[in-house]
Amino acid sequence: KAGVTQTPRYLIKTRGQQVTLSCSPISGHRSVSWYQQTPGQGLQFLFEYFSETQRNKGNFPGRFSGRQFSNSRSEMNVSTLELGDSALYLCASSRDSFNEKLFFGSGTQLSVL
Amino acid sequence: EDKVVQSPLSLVVHEGDTVTLNCSYEVTNFRSLLWYKQEKKAPTFLFMLTSSGIEKKSGRLSSILDKKELFSILNITATQTGDSAVYLCAVERTSGTYKYIFGTGTRLKVLA
Repeated sequence: KAGVTQTPRYLIKTRGQQVTLSCSPISGHRSVSWYQQTPGQGLQFLFEYFSETQRNKGNFPGRFSGRQFSNSRSEMNVSTLELGDSALYLCASSRDSFNEKLFFGSGTQLSVL
Repeated sequence: EDKVVQSPLSLVVHEGDTVTLNCSYEVTNFRSLLWYKQEKKAPTFLFMLTSSGIEKKSGRLSSILDKKELFSILNITATQTGDSAVYLCAVERTSGTYKYIFGTGTRLKVLA
């Protein structure tokens, strides 16, 4: 069974640009969530999608957005990049029932110059 | 405000040592507590704990939850260099915006 796949693995952008990250969940998983990880900050919740609907959103500015497609694949978009957006962006999927663990992808390392 | 706090932030030990990592939480609507190991990028699942006082064990790793005192510990015995990683603790909630709240992690380095 294939794991959670995130693309691209690495990205280098400059301030003001926008970026789109992709996540393919494990087959059969309908819940996809996104996290930002920076040194010393742990995993900060961005948003969660289920059946193409955003179910929850963390405390991030509107420059961060996402969507989910009918095949459960998800994309995350960050517009008008800032230096502080440099981070590892992790995607996780689950079957969305109780006591379900998250399965993580390898992340996209974004560097904003 | 709900929070998950891990200690210590970092730890350096020698092979063969035993380590104890701590995770305390103040979270409403608690459902379960999870431990993950993050070596390079993708955190990998270690344990899920839902009941107080029941130890989960996998090889040299074990974990236990105390729902009265609101903490969990992760023990690693006879550490090996391959145990070097960041260990993340997360609490799953039954409801609320943040279904999973993560701690900042404990960075463990095991020296040969």
